[in-house]
Amino acid sequence: NAGVTQTPKFRVLKTGQSMTLLCAQDMNHEYMYWYRQDPGMGLRLIHYSVGEGTTAKGEVPDGYNVSRLKKQNFLLGLESAAPSQTSVYFCASSSGTGGTVPYEQYFGPGTRLTVT
Amino acid sequence: GQQLNQSPQSMFIQEGEDVSMNCTSSSIFNTWLWYKQDPGEGPVLLIALYKAGELTSNGRLTAQFGITRKDSFLNISASIPSDVGIYFCAGRVQGAQKLVFGQGTRLTINP
Repeated sequence: NAGVTQTPKFRVLKTGQSMTLLCAQDMNHEYMYWYRQDPGMGLRLIHYSVGEGTTAKGEVPDGYNVSRLKKQNFLLGLESAAPSQTSVYFCASSSGTGGTVPYEQYFGPGTRLTVT
Repeated sequence: GQQLNQSPQSMFIQEGEDVSMNCTSSSIFNTWLWYKQDPGEGPVLLIALYKAGELTSNGRLTAQFGITRKDSFLNISASIPSDVGIYFCAGRVQGAQKLVFGQGTRLTINP
């Protein structure tokens, strides 16, 4: 039982390049979330999903897209990377309303992205 | 939207001291969670609170869900070096599918 895993761990992009971050969870959780963490800013929600095939915008969605084609996976895409997207990205999941502790979120180890 | 004010932003203490931190909100929350983040790692859930007035312990950590439902407190007793890290509070309002996070309290311990 690996919990929440994220791929890759580190990435360096040039401005304008695109990339996809992969999040996978093996806990059969319904809800999944993408956050970014910048120094002094805490965790800010980018997008989230409450089930396979659904996505919703969070606090800072601009410049990102997401997809949830399979229940266990949540992908975060950057179509045209900008230096302002340099950050550490965390994925999290929770069981959702069908679980006994629906809103306890469990985090992955993070992806450190640098855009030059 | 909802905001959480977490204080203090940072703490510098001696090993063995007790630690207290808190979060306050302008909204009424149904759930309070406390996380710890070690350097280079993702946040790890420490304690979850679901009822106003609830007091829950996890080893040397104790957290409380405030009676007004607008605040929560985390205490660490007899701090040790591995307590170093950033502590985050998070809350959820009724009906919301997502959490609101505080800005974090950075704990530094002098041996």
